[in-house]
Amino acid sequence: AQSVTQLDSHVSVSEGTPVLLRCNYSSSYSPSLFWYVQHPNKGLQLLLKYTSAATLVKGINGFEAEFKKSETSFHLTKPSAHMSDAAEYFCVVSWGGSQGNLIFGKGTKLSVKP
Amino acid sequence: DAGVIQSPRHEVTEMGQEVTLRCKPISGHNSLFWYRQTMMRGLELLIYFNNNVPIDDSGMPEDRFSAKMPNASFSTLKIQPSEPRDSAVYFCASSSPGPLGGELFFGEGSRLTVL
Repeated sequence: AQSVTQLDSHVSVSEGTPVLLRCNYSSSYSPSLFWYVQHPNKGLQLLLKYTSAATLVKGINGFEAEFKKSETSFHLTKPSAHMSDAAEYFCVVSWGGSQGNLIFGKGTKLSVKP
Repeated sequence: DAGVIQSPRHEVTEMGQEVTLRCKPISGHNSLFWYRQTMMRGLELLIYFNNNVPIDDSGMPEDRFSAKMPNASFSTLKIQPSEPRDSAVYFCASSSPGPLGGELFFGEGSRLTVL
């Protein structure tokens, strides 16, 4: 069975410090993995995606994620948080070639303190 | 392109009333998705269409929910009769053909409150 677990429901960091949002997945197939961001009262926006090419994926706004098959992880990182990064982040796993086969994690709310 | 357009952005209605949510996908996208987001259950896929044809509606909660896509540029999600537990934010998303798991483009959502 396919599943995705975001290990933290809420992460708080200070502006200028690193961000780490953790995601573990379970998939019987070779998955595609995504991170989406949702700002308040907005729809979700794609940050980055992994589709079996390079294991280190760079996304928008300075975010990146590393696919680690041995650890079944796809953690999202950013070296230096900005106030505008405060939002909810969703890890998503996709498999089987169908865009309907997407499972969203429960989300991690990132707070950034001045 | 204006992106995925949803209407209304906010709807407050009374239990038992019919609710119709509308979505205009991005031009050229051939897949359309309806999601529901609540605090308790997170994001749930309700139904998705490919080339205007419903592919998977297993997420539709019950017969009170129905969705249509009469053409490539318009879809509706209808709830009749509505109940307080239907209160949620409903998102429409579209995507174009692509490799495994193409990017989804989301609308800004329709926030439904059923009293």
